[in-house]
Amino acid sequence: EAEVAQSPRYKITEKSQAVAFWCDPISGHATLYWYRQILGQGPELLVQFQDESVVDDSQLPKDRFSAERLKGVDSTLKIQPAELGDSAMYLCASSPGPIYYGYTFGSGTRLTVV
Amino acid sequence: GIQVEQSPPDLILQEGANSTLRCNFSDSVNNLQWFHQNPWGQLINLFYIPSGTKQNGRLSATTVATERYSLLYISSSQTTDSGVYFCAVETSGANSKLTFGKGITLSVRP
Repeated sequence: EAEVAQSPRYKITEKSQAVAFWCDPISGHATLYWYRQILGQGPELLVQFQDESVVDDSQLPKDRFSAERLKGVDSTLKIQPAELGDSAMYLCASSPGPIYYGYTFGSGTRLTVV
Repeated sequence: GIQVEQSPPDLILQEGANSTLRCNFSDSVNNLQWFHQNPWGQLINLFYIPSGTKQNGRLSATTVATERYSLLYISSSQTTDSGVYFCAVETSGANSKLTFGKGITLSVRP
């Protein structure tokens, strides 16, 4: 069964350092999402890509977060500088596009900022 | 935006018992999914069910779109069913997205 790949699985970083996460969606999936899940809560959307274009980044803290999907395939989410409040699970998901059959999520990256 | 409410927030069962998890949503949806989040954090898709009823082994789900709710049934629960169950919905629109409820934490005791 096709999977969404994410790395690293775990990341510990010091406050004010830069950190990056990588996601490779299911082949052929045009739409890619980055979600953040704070402990005890449901995931919340940070950014949505349609192919290489950002279509929704209204909840992305743009002063410190950036995301790109240069060739419309894999994607990188970056935080610089990291803050203590950024500690969370970062989940990537993909879907086929306009005709939905549901979203598939990757295993996530658990970030701890110390 | 759309509101998603799940109940109960926590549920403790004895192994072998049955349970019903509920999801209410505040607007019409074109997608509804139930996920199980395992202890390692991965969201496992259980059902894609914007309407109707589906069954997969001991699990089944029903969505009544006209009344804006969905139910997830777990029969003969096992300890491996423990974890957090999320309902997530998506409304129509060009840049639609999944909106999650707060989740239901299920603990199945041996």
